[in-house]
Amino acid sequence: QSVLTQPPSVSGAPGQRVTISCTGSSSNIGAINDVHWYQQRPGTAPKLLIYDNKYRPSGVPDRFSGSKSGTSASLAITGLQAEDEADYYCQSYDSSLSEGVFGGGTKLTVL
Amino acid sequence: EVEVEESGGGLVQSGGSLRLSCAASGFTFSNCGMAWVRQTPGKGPEWVSAISGSGASTYYAESVKGRFTISRDNSKNTLYLQMNSLRAEDTAIYHCAKCLTLTGYGDAFDMWGQGTMVTVSS
Repeated sequence: QSVLTQPPSVSGAPGQRVTISCTGSSSNIGAINDVHWYQQRPGTAPKLLIYDNKYRPSGVPDRFSGSKSGTSASLAITGLQAEDEADYYCQSYDSSLSEGVFGGGTKLTVL
Repeated sequence: EVEVEESGGGLVQSGGSLRLSCAASGFTFSNCGMAWVRQTPGKGPEWVSAISGSGASTYYAESVKGRFTISRDNSKNTLYLQMNSLRAEDTAIYHCAKCLTLTGYGDAFDMWGQGTMVTVSS
């Protein structure tokens, strides 16, 4: 069982907006620790989408956005495209465990 | 081009040892924290260990503390993971990851290698 909780799956039609939640606790997301988001397509390594809660690395489309509030964080994807179909993972640091932690992942299906 | 490439994986018996290496190129290695993240097929990533750019600070997951040792040779642009007392539950793909900052603490990983497979037989 992951320290960070994500919904197992979400889906949306092309062009729609979807959000993926990541719920933690006061020792990770609720602390001063940042949340990062990754996209992973089958057979490939994870790719950084959002870092430090809301910043996009160079090359990541602005259709992807992140936010954090309290003990939760969210990844929003607007203008869904077929290529967005992938697994998405959140990551943070847990101050009580003194280690990095990942969410269990959310599979996005583009209908 | 920023690249990291792992090597050293393989099949080992329970209780055995293995040393993973990660060759980095395309960036100033000593300016970046580095980490190891493992993943079992069909499951999410699991953070294993991280190290600061200088190598002075290291961090470990509880599940590997006392058995794994992370280190780096900045003169060779290479990251290592010495894995001792291996268990069946250590079986996974081990990815080398470049941290966004120097510290390695709480960092995002902006470059991942494809990984090297470690299989521990019981």
